[in-house]
Amino acid sequence: GNSVTQMEGPVTLSEEAFLTINCTYTATGYPSLFWYVQYPGEGLQLLLKATKADDKGSNKGFEATYRKETTSFHLEKGSVQVSDSAVYFCALRENSGGSNYKLTFGKGTLLTVNP
Amino acid sequence: NAGVTQTPKFQVLKTGQSMTLQCAQDMNHEYMSWYRQDPGMGLRLIHYSVGAGITDQGEVPNGYNVSRSTTEDFPLRLLSAAPSQTSVYFCASSYSVRLGGYTFGSGTRLTVV
Repeated sequence: GNSVTQMEGPVTLSEEAFLTINCTYTATGYPSLFWYVQYPGEGLQLLLKATKADDKGSNKGFEATYRKETTSFHLEKGSVQVSDSAVYFCALRENSGGSNYKLTFGKGTLLTVNP
Repeated sequence: NAGVTQTPKFQVLKTGQSMTLQCAQDMNHEYMSWYRQDPGMGLRLIHYSVGAGITDQGEVPNGYNVSRSTTEDFPLRLLSAAPSQTSVYFCASSYSVRLGGYTFGSGTRLTVV
């Protein structure tokens, strides 16, 4: 079955530091890949997505590239801010067969950015 | 637009009680789903619906029922609450499953004692 593995947290950084949150996946076929962000007390929000190999998703300074050869979708940001403190979830969706309505999530990574 | 609205935000139940978690969306989305979020587990799909009158089970459906009589509403029923159902529940809807545009509600925190 499908699965998503993302780096264990928590991750604590100082403001303006470089961020990487690793995400690898296992899936049959060619899934679409997503990063969602959850701010304290809120639901999940779509941060960025990529639907095919070598696509780069980007939003609010965050980027992730769909790497089929390494089955990875690592999230990066060049300079984090205190307001980026949140839980980040990597997710995939199968694009064929009976599973194409389901998002499979990683366990989430808590990021705390200190001033 | 209100987006996806979940009620209540918090609920405490006694073991064996039943209740319904409400979810409503005003975006005319065909696809709706329920997830539960547990520490260290990520989000797991409980049930989903691809349109009014059509529902199906996700990964962890036991102990939960759903129905979809209208496009807007997708309630989740706990038949006989158990402590293992203590969790945060999220409803999500999508205009296009293919494009992955999921909108999540703000969640219901349920405690079963």
